[in-house]
Amino acid sequence: DAGVTQSPTHLIKTRGQQVTLRCSPISGHKSVSWYQQVLGQGPQFIFQYYEKEERGRGNFPDRFSARQFPNYSSELNVNALLLGDSALYLCASSETPGLAGETQYFGPGTRLLVL
Amino acid sequence: QKEVEQNSGPLSVPEGAIASLNCTYSDRGSQSFFWYRQYSGKSPELIMFIYSNGDKEDGRFTAQLNKASQYVSLLIRDSQPSDSATYLCAGVSGSARQLTFGSGTQLTVLP
Repeated sequence: DAGVTQSPTHLIKTRGQQVTLRCSPISGHKSVSWYQQVLGQGPQFIFQYYEKEERGRGNFPDRFSARQFPNYSSELNVNALLLGDSALYLCASSETPGLAGETQYFGPGTRLLVL
Repeated sequence: QKEVEQNSGPLSVPEGAIASLNCTYSDRGSQSFFWYRQYSGKSPELIMFIYSNGDKEDGRFTAQLNKASQYVSLLIRDSQPSDSATYLCAGVSGSARQLTFGSGTQLTVLP
C-alpha cells in the first residue's frame, strides 16, 4: 500500500509570495495533520483535519490555512511568505483522532525555501 | 505551554551497546507517547508508541512510560551504526490530539 504522499518535494519561493502544498493520506485514513519542522527542532503542529472539518490549529498566524477534500487529501496554503517560513512541511495521516486510531504516519515532506 | 523535553545530545554509543534516550513531559493530560526516528534530510518514521505505564518491547526497542514521574524513555539494545539518527519523542494532547514533539536527541552509533 502507498504511504502518505506529498507534493512538491522541494520548492523555492521569494518573500511575499504564496505557496500551496499538497498531501494524500494513506488509503482508509480520514485524518490529516500538518507540521512545520525548522532545522534542529522537532515538528510543530499547524493544523489537523478530520472528515473535512478543522479539528485543531497550532500557534501559527492567519497566513497559514488548510483544507481537506472529500477524498481526504489536503492542502496547506501559506500567504505572504516570510524568510522564517523556510522549513520542512510534514503531512501526517491517521485513521481517526483518538486513542485507537491516532498513530500518525508521516509523508516525505515538502522542503520550502523562502528567499 | 505544553512541552516535551529531550536531551539534545549528541549521544554516542559503541556498536552493540544499549542506547538510552529520555524524554519528560509537562502535560499530565497526555495519554500516549510516540517515538520516531528521523534520518538526516528525511521525514520522521514511527518506531513505537506506548500509552500504559511500564515497559513495551518491540524487537531491539523498549519504550518505558512512567506517568507519575511524567517520563518516557526508549532503549535500543545491540545498537547498530544504522541506528544513527535523531530520535523524536512526542506526546498526544489537545482537542485535536495533536503530537507535541521534543527537539530530538541525535544518536551516533560508532562502529
